[in-house]
Order: sequence, then structure tokens, then C-alpha cells
Amino acid sequence: EVQLVESGGGLVKPGGSLRLSCAGSGFTFSSYSMNWVRQAPGKGLEWVASIPSSSSFTSQADSVKGRFTISRDNAKNSLYLQMSSLRAEDTAVYYCVRYASATYDYWGQGTLVTVSS
Amino acid sequence: QSVLTQPPSVSAAPGQKVTISCSGSTSNIGNNFVSWYQQVPGTAPKLLIYDNDKRPSGIPDRFSGSKSGTSATLGITGLQTGDEAYYYCGTWDSSLSVGGVFGGGTRLTVL
Repeated sequence: EVQLVESGGGLVKPGGSLRLSCAGSGFTFSSYSMNWVRQAPGKGLEWVASIPSSSSFTSQADSVKGRFTISRDNAKNSLYLQMSSLRAEDTAVYYCVRYASATYDYWGQGTLVTVSS
Repeated sequence: QSVLTQPPSVSAAPGQKVTISCSGSTSNIGNNFVSWYQQVPGTAPKLLIYDNDKRPSGIPDRFSGSKSGTSATLGITGLQTGDEAYYYCGTWDSSLSVGGVFGGGTRLTVL
């Protein structure tokens, strides 16, 4: 069974930093592109960042470019999101999502990030 | 403002059929596969339909998807109270960044 388990969320002050982690299991983690997708309270889904299986390049949404960095450790079956210069508008549930066959096929349960003073 | 346009809400009685529309443009729906996701409040989204009309293993055939031009439609027949959820369409947009784009979501109420 495919499982994606996020951790690392919490309350952080504006301008602060946080690192999210996602542990994958039940599949060959190193074979799949991985993504972070977020959902602000009461709002829709927003793609945040992606990284291919080989980490050859990364992509980020314009809203987080220069502030968020996606990375992975295939030996540990783990995905990360380093977030810095956090803003109130970054408050959201962050989902770790697997990409396969032109779709986001498996989603983690999410971790809540709250940016507030 | 979402790239893809969905109605905010739809409703129907148990046992009935409902459709949810998703409107886009040639740069997204018109030239890419569409997926649909179901999100029960308080839980993570779950893939319902991919490649416009394919169902992952375990998704009942009460759920169907279709695409025509720059629009897509999710259909649900034999509505059950357990189908109450938010439904999101998603695809890719060749004029934007490499990540996926989503509709604003449609809340389905089973009366």
C-alpha cells in the first residue's frame, strides 16, 4: 500500500523558517517525481513545487520562488520542503503528492503550517 | 482566482445523478489530460479520474469523466450520502509553470 506521511508543520512567526518532511513507503520512491501541493484554510489546491526522480532539476510556483526549496533523499525514501521568509499567506495544509501517468495519484494526509505572530 | 472554472456547489437527492463542469482554455484542458479529485472535509484529496475518463483501481463505476474541447465533466450516478465532498478538476497549463493547475472546487451536497 502506497503511503505518504508528512511531518514538520507547526506555528511559525512571519519571516521565520520551517522544514517539512515526507516519508514514502509501499512503492519504489526513487522512481517517481514528487510534489508539494498546499491548501489554505477554506481555499482550493495550489501546486507549490516539484522534483523529478533524479533530482536533476526542481520547479517552484512563482508565489514561493526564492523562498522555498524542494529536495529529496532517495536512500531514505524522503521528500523535503525547506521554507524560509514565511508570510501569513503561506498558512496552509501542505500535502506531499506523488506524480505518475500525468496525474497526482497519491496524497499524504497533510501537515498544517501556520504563519502568525 | 483559479485557472480552471468550476461551479461552487451542486446538489441532488440520493440515487440521482449529478454532473460537475470544469472550464478552461486551449493552453490547459484543450491540450492536456484532465484529472478529478475528491476531498471529504478534513481529509486529503483522493484521485477519482485521470486521463480524462479513467478510474483508478477501487473507484466505483458510478464515477465517470469526459472531456470536450476546453471543458471537462465529472459525472456521479446513484448518489450516496458518502459522496458529499468537494470535487476538484486538475490539469496542466503550457503557458504557466510546470506544476499542475486546479479548479476552485465544487461542493456536492446530497440532499
